Amino acid sequence: EPEVTQTPSHQVTQMGQEVILRCVPISNHLYFYWYRQILGQKVEFLVSFYNNEISEKSEIFDDQFSVERPDGSNFTLKIRSTKLEDSAMYFCASSEEQGPLYEQYFGPGTRLTVT
Amino acid sequence: LAKTTQPISMDSYEGQEVNITCSHNNIATNDYITWYQQFPSQGPRFIIQGYKTKVTNEVASLFIPADRKSSTLSLPRVSLSDTAVYYCLVGGNAGNMLTFGGGTRLMVKP
Repeated sequence: EPEVTQTPSHQVTQMGQEVILRCVPISNHLYFYWYRQILGQKVEFLVSFYNNEISEKSEIFDDQFSVERPDGSNFTLKIRSTKLEDSAMYFCASSEEQGPLYEQYFGPGTRLTVT
Repeated sequence: LAKTTQPISMDSYEGQEVNITCSHNNIATNDYITWYQQFPSQGPRFIIQGYKTKVTNEVASLFIPADRKSSTLSLPRVSLSDTAVYYCLVGGNAGNMLTFGGGTRLMVKP
């Protein structure tokens, strides 16, 4: 079964540093997403991406965050200057189409620890 | 987006049937009900989706009464590996973001 992959599985960085989290969505999917989950809290939507553009973003997704699809397979989330409160699991997801009928396939996540 | 309410936690034993109910009183006409499962340190995984009446797949059944103000996820004969958090999500055509609530933490005991 095709799956979403994410690298690295765990990233430790110092406050103020830039990090890039990488994802390879399922190959025939057109919609891509990032979510995060702070330890012990809910899964929170960050951003959705389609046709090389952001289609939706949440209040969490401020100017510190950016997304990119640099080539035909990778989808990245960049945090420009990390803060302690950015420590969380970051999940990438993808779907064939948008809308409630199309399930989103989640990757295994990247655990980001900011010290 | 319709607000959902589900129990914070449930305990069960191996081999039992587990029913997790979610209430969504403000569900809109075009909203679907979707359940996801999340194991510790993993991403959520789609389980089942429905609009009305009953839906069944190889993993679970979903029961939705006629007024659609609630839904029940039924897991037949659970095993230890079904220990996870189960999320009820309600949404329609308004965008494609998933809005997760707190979920129900199911603990299956031997």
